[in-house]
Amino acid sequence: GQNIDQPTEMTATEGAIVQINCTYQTSGFNGLFWYQQHAGEAPTFLSYNVLDGLEEKGRFSSFLSRSKGYSYLLLKELQMKDSASYLCAVRAMNTGFQKLVFGTGTRLLVSP
Amino acid sequence: KAGVTQTPRYLIKTRGQQVTLSCSPISGHRSVSWYQQTPGQGLQFLFEYFSETQRNKGNFPGRFSGRQFSNSRSEMNVSTLELGDSALYLCASSRSPGTGRPPNEQFFGPGTRLTVL
Repeated sequence: GQNIDQPTEMTATEGAIVQINCTYQTSGFNGLFWYQQHAGEAPTFLSYNVLDGLEEKGRFSSFLSRSKGYSYLLLKELQMKDSASYLCAVRAMNTGFQKLVFGTGTRLLVSP
Repeated sequence: KAGVTQTPRYLIKTRGQQVTLSCSPISGHRSVSWYQQTPGQGLQFLFEYFSETQRNKGNFPGRFSGRQFSNSRSEMNVSTLELGDSALYLCASSRSPGTGRPPNEQFFGPGTRLTVL
């Protein structure tokens, strides 16, 4: 089966940088996703990694190491609106193409 | 382009009842996946439909079922409701498997919040 771990909660201040880690154990790894979910809203796609390395998209970057079963989401120049839950999700080929296995999410609180 | 829509947004039922939730995917998307989200368990995969066929199923009891229609709209049904079924039920749509980058980018609807009393 799959197992995904991420911290339950993190706090940071406006303008700072925060790194949210995600570790996973799975066979047939075929991609890792990060989603952002504001309270009471649907998750929205942030990033996708399938090869080792860093993917940068504006203030958000995501890193993957397949050999270590490890990913992180890096948020720079934090803004109040970044307060949300961040969900790490893994797709494994042996679970079917569309099935994503999600971690329980990391709630990020950005304070002034 | 309209996003994924789910109806109803909120629902209150009592134990033993059954419920049907509806999801309309983004126009042109043929794949629909359903997830259950609870504070303790996070997002858990229920099932996935593509071209009216169930392609994948999570580890939920048979009380949870679904179907997809020819226009790609999908419904999920939960029979004999239990208190533990109280959750946010999310539907996500995507294009045919293997297209786009990422190949599995799913767009989520706002969810249906089900409360079982």
